[in-house]
Amino acid sequence: QSALTQPASVSGSPGQSITISCTGTSSDVGNYNLVSWYQQHPGKAPKFMIYEVSERPSGVSNRFSGSKSGNTASLTISGLQAEDEADYYCCSYAGSSTWVFGGGTRLTVL
Amino acid sequence: QVQLVESGGGVVQPGRSLRLSCAASGFTFSNYAMHWVRQAPGKGLEWVAVMSYTGSNKYYADSVKGRFTISRDNSKKTLYLQMNSLRGEDTAMYYCARDLGQQLGFFDYWGQGTLVTVSS
Repeated sequence: QSALTQPASVSGSPGQSITISCTGTSSDVGNYNLVSWYQQHPGKAPKFMIYEVSERPSGVSNRFSGSKSGNTASLTISGLQAEDEADYYCCSYAGSSTWVFGGGTRLTVL
Repeated sequence: QVQLVESGGGVVQPGRSLRLSCAASGFTFSNYAMHWVRQAPGKGLEWVAVMSYTGSNKYYADSVKGRFTISRDNSKKTLYLQMNSLRGEDTAMYYCARDLGQQLGFFDYWGQGTLVTVSS
């Protein structure tokens, strides 16, 4: 159950697009489409942003999108806004009814 | 609206026990699998345990297996986490989270968390 690999930080200017990668293995990300993404502002609980690789829950802006290729899932945020500044975590099913999170990525909006 | 409210956290000595609770409201609790997820101070999220909607199936992260027990009382709409033999590395904010589906691991609602500090 090793954590998925995410970049520690990414940054972008308002209006730009950024992508956060989430690299796992053929035992988790690569083997299941059960990848989800969460946004967490400081001192707050995580917020559900993307599920099943690319599905958006109701109420989540369509500026957020997800994809997957092989063992790597990605979260793209387009039209960056100041309120997008937060930590982002990916999560994947890892088999045997267990799940693994990524280490988290701090997004800074310049 | 969906609400999850954790309680039971606090400061506890290594080797001792603690029981966390998560009170649910605003949805039919007995229809959903439920999870515990923790976050050590300044660190990332770590999945801890899941219990099926009926309570018949439960699974754990290797890091807590044999020490923690997840349970639920559907009549009280409450999820529990019994934590035994606590260690310093168990110090974390503990969140309960609802599963969007039947143990798909999509955590659509989270509580505000309860802080557990293991220290002598």
